[in-house]
Amino acid sequence: GDSVTQMEGPVTLSEEAFLTINCTYTATGYPSLFWYVQYPGEGLQLLLKATKADDKGSNKGFEATYRKETTSFHLEKGSVQVSDSAVYFCAHSRTSGGYQKVTFGTGTKLQVIP
Amino acid sequence: EAQVTQNPRYLITVTGKKLTVTCSQNMNHEYMSWYRQDPGLGLRQIYYSMNVEVTDKGDVPEGYKVSRKEKRNFPLILESPSPNQTSLYFCASSLSPEGLAGGPWETQYFGPGTRLLVL
Repeated sequence: GDSVTQMEGPVTLSEEAFLTINCTYTATGYPSLFWYVQYPGEGLQLLLKATKADDKGSNKGFEATYRKETTSFHLEKGSVQVSDSAVYFCAHSRTSGGYQKVTFGTGTKLQVIP
Repeated sequence: EAQVTQNPRYLITVTGKKLTVTCSQNMNHEYMSWYRQDPGLGLRQIYYSMNVEVTDKGDVPEGYKVSRKEKRNFPLILESPSPNQTSLYFCASSLSPEGLAGGPWETQYFGPGTRLLVL
């Protein structure tokens, strides 16, 4: 069945450190891939997405590349800031009979310390 | 401002007392859904709706009901809440994947969440 696996957190980094949050997936067909971010006390908001193999999504210094051969969509940022502290969710989406099925990972909490 | 709103944001209730969590979106989205978020489990879909009067079960529908009488509103109903329904609930909306330019790449827009405690 469909699933998304993320590395467990929390991940604690110092400001300006390099960030990688791993995400792998299993899905039927050719899903779209997403990273959502949840800041404390808020709902999820889209961070970036990629709709086909080898696409790179990017936003706010974050990047992720759709790797079909390894079924992965790892999130990276070269230099994190305290304001990046949040929970990050990897997700994939496919359509089936007019229904958009979105499957989320369990989330990875990132803490950035000054 | 384009947004999804939920009410109430926080709710404490007792077992068996019916409650409704409202959800409204102002983006003319056809597709709406409800999720619950629990530690270690991520987000799991409860119900979804592809349009007015069209609803279907998600992955964890037991103990919940929904209705979609208007395009903008998608309330979540707990007829007889139980402690295992204590959770953080999110409503989300998106364009239809079957729309003119729709597809699995449609972004979901989330409400701010409703934290429910059932005693």
